Amino acid sequence: GDSVTQMEGPVTLSEEAFLTINCTYTATGYPSLFWYVQYPGEGLQLLLKATKADDKGSNKGFEATYRKETTSFHLEKGSVQVSDSAVYFCALRSRQNNNDMRFGAGTRLTVKP
Amino acid sequence: GAGVSQSPSNKVTEKGKDVELRCDPISGHTALYWYRQRLGQGLEFLIYFQGNSAPDKSGLPSDRFSAERTGESVSTLTIQRTQQEDSAVYLCASSLGQQGGQFFGPGTRLTVL
Repeated sequence: GDSVTQMEGPVTLSEEAFLTINCTYTATGYPSLFWYVQYPGEGLQLLLKATKADDKGSNKGFEATYRKETTSFHLEKGSVQVSDSAVYFCALRSRQNNNDMRFGAGTRLTVKP
Repeated sequence: GAGVSQSPSNKVTEKGKDVELRCDPISGHTALYWYRQRLGQGLEFLIYFQGNSAPDKSGLPSDRFSAERTGESVSTLTIQRTQQEDSAVYLCASSLGQQGGQFFGPGTRLTVL
């Protein structure tokens, strides 16, 4: 079945460092892809999304590009801040079954000043 | 309301008891999802409601789990004869139809002793 695999954490970076959190997927057809973020003590929030190949989702300085050839949707940010400390979840929505969203296990990011 | 709300925020129960978890979606959101998140794991899809259509129950792990939704408003997730493996955070999300990004509630942390 459809699935998402993301980079295991935790990830610890210094402020202003470059961030990459890898995410790859397995799916029948072409799913929509998402990154969700969960800040400490808060609920999950949609960070960005891409619905077709080569689309780039972006928000709050984060970017991810839908790569069909490598079945990937890696999350990147050029310069992280302490306030980016959170758990990041990669997810896909199947085209065959729009009800079916599959989430990765989450990657905890800690940014130190 | 302004966001998705869930109650209770925490629930501790004894093995074998029934529990009921509540979700209030964002007003006007026709789609509602329930997920389970076990410690250190990703989100598991449980059930999906879309308007007045029959719910997608394909993610429910056993017949001890059931959910209802009244129209396009409140939903309740019921777990009967709870087991220790049911301990998890139960998350509710709503969206404007199937294609919209999901907005998550803060979750209910269930602990079965």
